[in-house]
Amino acid sequence: GQNIDQPTEMTATEGAIVQINCTYQTSGFNGLFWYQQHAGEAPTFLSYNVLDGLEEKGRFSSFLSRSKGYSYLLLKELQMKDSASYLCAVRGSGGSYIPTFGRGTSLIVHP
Amino acid sequence: DSGVTQTPKHLITATGQRVTLRCSPRSGDLSVYWYQQSLDQGLQFLIQYYNGEERAKGNILERFSAQQFPDLHSELNLSSLELGDSALYFCASSARRGTDTQYFGPGTRLTVL
Repeated sequence: GQNIDQPTEMTATEGAIVQINCTYQTSGFNGLFWYQQHAGEAPTFLSYNVLDGLEEKGRFSSFLSRSKGYSYLLLKELQMKDSASYLCAVRGSGGSYIPTFGRGTSLIVHP
Repeated sequence: DSGVTQTPKHLITATGQRVTLRCSPRSGDLSVYWYQQSLDQGLQFLIQYYNGEERAKGNILERFSAQQFPDLHSELNLSSLELGDSALYFCASSARRGTDTQYFGPGTRLTVL
């Protein structure tokens, strides 16, 4: 099975940088996803990591360490619209390749 | 806009009833996934279809069923509804069997009274 752990809630100030951590335990590993979800809306794909290291995409970066079962999502120059839930999802190496989603981290950005 | 469409957006019904949720995947995507999201459970995978055939099953109740049609749209049928079935139901699609990124539709909010 798979176990994914993320902080429940984080707060940050507009313009700042925030790091959202995700730790996981899986039977095999075949990639880690980050999604953003505003309340009542669909999850929106942010990033995908399958190899160790940092993937940068504009204000958002995602890091993966497979040996440590650890990932983080880094958000720079925070804006009010970044207030949302951030979901970490891990894909194991089972035949179906269905990712398991964490419970999400609710990020509140205040002025 | 992900390109995945879902109807209806909202659905209010009574316990014991049956409803059908509909999903159209992104153009060219062959895989469709259904998820249930409730406040206390997070995003739970229900079932996946690939090119018309069931591919993977998650925590789907026996009262729930799904299918994918030749035009690749999918329907999720929920029967004998209970209060606890109230949730957001998302459909996602991906290009192939499951090794690709999933793109989510806007969801259907089901309220069972």
